[in-house]
Amino acid sequence: DAGVIQSPRHEVTEMGQEVTLRCKPISGHDYLFWYRQTMMRGLELLIYFNNNVPIDDSGMPEDRFSAKMPNASFSTLKIQPSEPRDSAVYFCASSPGTGFNQPQHFGDGTRLSIL
Amino acid sequence: AQTVTQSQPEMSVQEAETVTLSCTYDTSESNYYLFWYKQPPSRQMILVIRQEAYKQQNATENRFSVNFQKAAKSFSLKISDSQLGDTAMYFCGLTGTYKYIFGTGTRLKVLA
Repeated sequence: DAGVIQSPRHEVTEMGQEVTLRCKPISGHDYLFWYRQTMMRGLELLIYFNNNVPIDDSGMPEDRFSAKMPNASFSTLKIQPSEPRDSAVYFCASSPGTGFNQPQHFGDGTRLSIL
Repeated sequence: AQTVTQSQPEMSVQEAETVTLSCTYDTSESNYYLFWYKQPPSRQMILVIRQEAYKQQNATENRFSVNFQKAAKSFSLKISDSQLGDTAMYFCGLTGTYKYIFGTGTRLKVLA
């Protein structure tokens, strides 16, 4: 079975540009999570969805960040406008319907560099 | 609030030897789960082992085992017979009712 698929694997763009990160969860998984990993702060949960509905976005750092899940097989994380401090590795993860007592399956991450 | 603390930013171990990575946590929930994830240089996050808090028996997965001390809120990972492929960042994680919390990680290097 295919795992969680993220695209692009690397993204380099200039400050002020819009950035869109994409994620396809594992089929049948009802929970989808977006994380940001930096050296300073480790792995931070940004937002998670249950059955395509955003449940907790308290980790989203600013209004420049937004996430959507239009259907069960696709989610996006958008940054507009991007800033150098947004440079990080962004992970998407999914887990089955019972949610928090189940391990999360992670994608390979998107390394984002904002110049 | 839930917290996870990994106090060892970096560790090293000789190949074939045993190493223990520390993790302490805090939570007000009575039912929770603890995890260890491995992140090799390839950047993947791979589940190593998990422990259900209501189970007293320590979880074991091949060369990986945990020492779960519930009263002390401690959840350490022991790697036996270390292999070069164990070189990675290791994250301790805690999940309760609504959230996953990860520690800041321990970078483990296995030396030949």
